[in-house]
Amino acid sequence: AQSVSQHNHHVILSEAASLELGCNYSYGGTVNLFWYVQYPGQHLQLLLKYFSGDPLVKGIKGFEAEFIKSKFSFNLRKPSVQWSDTAEYFCAVDPRGSARQLTFGSGTQLTVLP
Amino acid sequence: DTAVSQTPKYLVTQMGNDKSIKCEQNLGHDTMYWYKQDSKKFLKIMFSYNNKELIINETVPNRFSPKSPDKAHLNLHINSLELGDSAVYFCASSQGAGGRNEQFFGPGTRLTVL
Repeated sequence: AQSVSQHNHHVILSEAASLELGCNYSYGGTVNLFWYVQYPGQHLQLLLKYFSGDPLVKGIKGFEAEFIKSKFSFNLRKPSVQWSDTAEYFCAVDPRGSARQLTFGSGTQLTVLP
Repeated sequence: DTAVSQTPKYLVTQMGNDKSIKCEQNLGHDTMYWYKQDSKKFLKIMFSYNNKELIINETVPNRFSPKSPDKAHLNLHINSLELGDSAVYFCASSQGAGGRNEQFFGPGTRLTVL
């Protein structure tokens, strides 16, 4: 069965530090990839997505992610985090042509200290 | 003008009771989902409906029964509640079934079974 791994459960950074959150998946076929974010007390919302083309995708609020097919990875990055980036971040994978469902990782809690 | 709304936001109940969670979306989407998020933050799909028709039914106890009276609503009824049902339940919707389509999430319903 496919799975999505987010190895960092909790990341604590100071403002202006650079961020990289890891995401690996275990599906050998073609996939669609997503990062969702859940700010405190709010619902999940889409941060960015990759379907095809340029493996470096840009999302909202200065986030970007790079798809590395050979590593089955889709890591999330941001050059300089802000206190308002404190949230839970979820990676999700959709195997194309499958049962039409997203598989989510367990999430990474990011805490940015002012 | 909330896009995806759920009621109630919090639900505390005794073991053995029957309860329902309601979900409504005003985005005009044709596909709706129920997810369960456990205490370790794993977000797992339970059901998906497309045009009121069940298209995904993951391995969940048959005590859980979704009902979609129309495309804008997907309710979740749970019979004989057990301690292990305690979790946060998220409703979501998308235009079109399939992981390629961005899913919009509701705020979640935190169910606590005592």
